[in-house]
Amino acid sequence: ETGVTQSPTHLIKTRGQQVTLRCSSQSGHNTVSWYQQALGQGPQFIFQYYREEENGRGNFPPRFSGLQFPNYSSELNVNALELDDSALYLCASSLGGGLSYNEQFFGPGTRLTVL
Amino acid sequence: AQTVTQSQPEMSVQEAETVTLSCTYDTSESDYYLFWYKQPPSRQMILVIRQEAYKQQNATENRFSVNFQKAAKSFSLKISDSQLGDAAMYFCAYRNGGATNKLIFGTGTLLAVQP
Repeated sequence: ETGVTQSPTHLIKTRGQQVTLRCSSQSGHNTVSWYQQALGQGPQFIFQYYREEENGRGNFPPRFSGLQFPNYSSELNVNALELDDSALYLCASSLGGGLSYNEQFFGPGTRLTVL
Repeated sequence: AQTVTQSQPEMSVQEAETVTLSCTYDTSESDYYLFWYKQPPSRQMILVIRQEAYKQQNATENRFSVNFQKAAKSFSLKISDSQLGDAAMYFCAYRNGGATNKLIFGTGTLLAVQP
């Protein structure tokens, strides 16, 4: 069984650029959630995808968008990068979309630095 | 809106001793879950223990146990027989019983284990 993987591990961008982060969910999981973890803070929920549809969103602007593919892997896209977007981005996969409890398994994260 | 508060930014414990990490939360919901997650320096978030709000019995997982005080909205984690491998950032997290896996995290407690 393969765990949650994320790519790339590290990324450096400049303000105003666009970035795409990728997440492969654990085998058998159909739900992916994305979190932003600023330095010294707890993770903050960005959004969740279940069976290729967004079914929950946190307090993030529309320039944060996502996709989930038929194989349940996912992308997080951030447009018009700002300095405050510098953070560790975590994805977590689970089964079932959230209607009942299923454990979320986290990936190792992508460290994004915006200069 | 739900909130999670961890008032201890850092804690230290001697190897083999017991330490308690504190967490308080605020919610008006009756159906929810509470979690403690461990984030070692390698960054991958790992679930330590889970508590369902409807369960009166405190959850236990080997050396880890919780003290769930529902009326006081308190959820502390006790680590017994502390080991060097327990050194990590610990996050308290909340999840509604609703239709997404959205987790609300506290700001974390950095636990050091002294040999």
